[in-house]
Amino acid sequence: EPEVTQTPSHQVTQMGQEVILRCVPISNHLYFYWYRQILGQKVEFLVSFYNNEISEKSEIFDDQFSVERPDGSNFTLKIRSTKLEDSAMYFCASLGGSTEAFFGQGTRLTVV
Amino acid sequence: GQNIDQPTEMTATEGAIVQINCTYQTSGFNGLFWYQQHAGEAPTFLSYNVLDGLEEKGRFSSFLSRSKGYSYLLLKELQMKDSASYLCAVRSGNTPLVFGKGTRLSVIA
Repeated sequence: EPEVTQTPSHQVTQMGQEVILRCVPISNHLYFYWYRQILGQKVEFLVSFYNNEISEKSEIFDDQFSVERPDGSNFTLKIRSTKLEDSAMYFCASLGGSTEAFFGQGTRLTVV
Repeated sequence: GQNIDQPTEMTATEGAIVQINCTYQTSGFNGLFWYQQHAGEAPTFLSYNVLDGLEEKGRFSSFLSRSKGYSYLLLKELQMKDSASYLCAVRSGNTPLVFGKGTRLSVIA
């Protein structure tokens, strides 16, 4: 069964450092998303990506965040200068022709 | 914007039936989704409703009333492994899914 793959599963970084979270969406999917979930809180939308550009972003997705699809398979989320409050699970999701979005297993980001 | 409400926590007994409610307010409604999320894991898709009525899938059923902005997820023959958070999510137009805060279900023996 096709799946969305995220790496790393866990990343620890120092405040102020840049991090790149990686995702390999399902191969024939066209819509890609990043969500985050702070411990104990709800899943929050960050950004959607379609046709090699951002189609929608939330208030959370400020200038510190960027997304890229550097090749035909990877979809990355970069946080330029991490803050303590960026500590969360980050989920990548992709959507093809069906109605449901498939989520990756997430990257747990811990900023110290 | 969208407003999605669901109970924070519920407890039910193994073998029983539990109903998890979700109310929402949105414009341009284009589908309601239920996801299951075990602690520390990704949400996994359970069901999708876009028309009024009941969708049944094994032990899980989901109901939608668009006029009332209301949905429920029904879990039958509860098992211990059903202990998880259940997330109600709404799509409006072509926007991405917006999730509620989730209902943490504890199944007890």
